[in-house]
Amino acid sequence: SQQGEEDPQALSIQEGENATMNCSYKTSINNLQWYRQNSGRGLVHLILIRSNEREKHSGRLRVTLDTSKKSSSLLITASRAADTASYFCAVNRDDKIIFGKGTRLHILP
Amino acid sequence: DAGVTQSPTHLIKTRGQQVTLRCSPKSGHDTVSWYQQALGQGPQFIFQYYEEEERQRGNFPDRFSGHQFPNYSSELNVNALLLGDSALYLCASSLGGAGHISIQYFGAGTRLSVL
Repeated sequence: SQQGEEDPQALSIQEGENATMNCSYKTSINNLQWYRQNSGRGLVHLILIRSNEREKHSGRLRVTLDTSKKSSSLLITASRAADTASYFCAVNRDDKIIFGKGTRLHILP
Repeated sequence: DAGVTQSPTHLIKTRGQQVTLRCSPKSGHDTVSWYQQALGQGPQFIFQYYEEEERQRGNFPDRFSGHQFPNYSSELNVNALLLGDSALYLCASSLGGAGHISIQYFGAGTRLSVL
């Protein structure tokens, strides 16, 4: 079974708005990662946050991690058309990476 | 610097047949992981190879097997294909030694259709 569960399953926003996606997981983790996938192609690593970190930034991306609630969020600020993709969280536990089902993000012009 | 390459890009097989998918890792990487991604789903972990041995395995039957060669490239073999094996198969490479955090670099995938 998949460890991470993203919410919402799909999200449509206007270009320029911020997009927030959430991920919940079930067990203790070593770290949590977010990946992006364009149109059924390979996944691209976006950001990794360790279990002892609470927040991390990379460009327009902001990731938070709450280990007490077993949840993470990915915020994309000032969205662009090129951000249209599926976003997956992946939890790393004992060197095994388990992906969620993803959030499909659509940026409207 | 070549990234992760997979071949073939598309494949059509019939039920009961066998298939072999190939993956060359990113230069400098020694660990290869394989994932199955059904339409609209997240990637499901099949197994991981490090130092030519299967190090981790997901919840997949023995019909799914693999191999890693001394040059770190890898093959995924699926026997007795079922219709449900139709999916995008993704290969990811990473550094697998002790102390490395497993950021995965993915290939573009092989799309397998079983008829």
